[in-house]
Amino acid sequence: NAGVTQTPKFQVLKTGQSMTLQCAQDMNHEYMSWYRQDPGMGLRLIHYSVGAGITDQGEVPNGYNVSRSTTEDFPLRLLSAAPSQTSVYFCASSYSPRVETQYFGPGTRLLVL
Amino acid sequence: QQQVKQSPQSLIVQKGGISIINCAYENTAFDYFPWYQQFPGKGPALLIAIRPDVSEKKEGRFTISFNKSAKQFSLHIMDSQPGDSATYFCAATAGSARQLTFGSGTQLTVLP
Repeated sequence: NAGVTQTPKFQVLKTGQSMTLQCAQDMNHEYMSWYRQDPGMGLRLIHYSVGAGITDQGEVPNGYNVSRSTTEDFPLRLLSAAPSQTSVYFCASSYSPRVETQYFGPGTRLLVL
Repeated sequence: QQQVKQSPQSLIVQKGGISIINCAYENTAFDYFPWYQQFPGKGPALLIAIRPDVSEKKEGRFTISFNKSAKQFSLHIMDSQPGDSATYFCAATAGSARQLTFGSGTQLTVLP
């Protein structure tokens, strides 16, 4: 199993550009989520999904969109990037909604100029 | 609003020493308290976790102490090793909630 994979590893965007951060898992996990990690603030939940076709907002959803068309993939879309979205983004997945079983991906470092 | 407060922000310990990281929470509905370990360039990985029905849980050199009345919990790393150098996050979740609330993290450096 590859576990949780994320692409790209690093991306530079200009303000106003859009992009999609990819996340995939091969463990047949129903629950997937996106976090952003900023210095001194820990990890904050952006969006999560409890299964294909079902998504919900986390703590900091503004400026981000998600969709879940398959069990394996959970992409995160930035519609119009802003410097405040400069961060490291982590995708995670788990067998059940009990989030303690989450496995995290390696992260995507995003710089918005 | 930070519901889980973690301290210290950074910690330097000599090899063989004890590392102690503390967390405090406000939400009395929290019923699961995991600790995550993160190495540079990697995602967080579950290290050890505790539920409030016990006051202590030990796994190898790692121990969680839990004080329900004070709404505090801490991670103790005994015989700290340079390989333990990482960022540690405490977290909490409540019941059927599908969200983890993380502390701000502690960067641990163990000197050889």
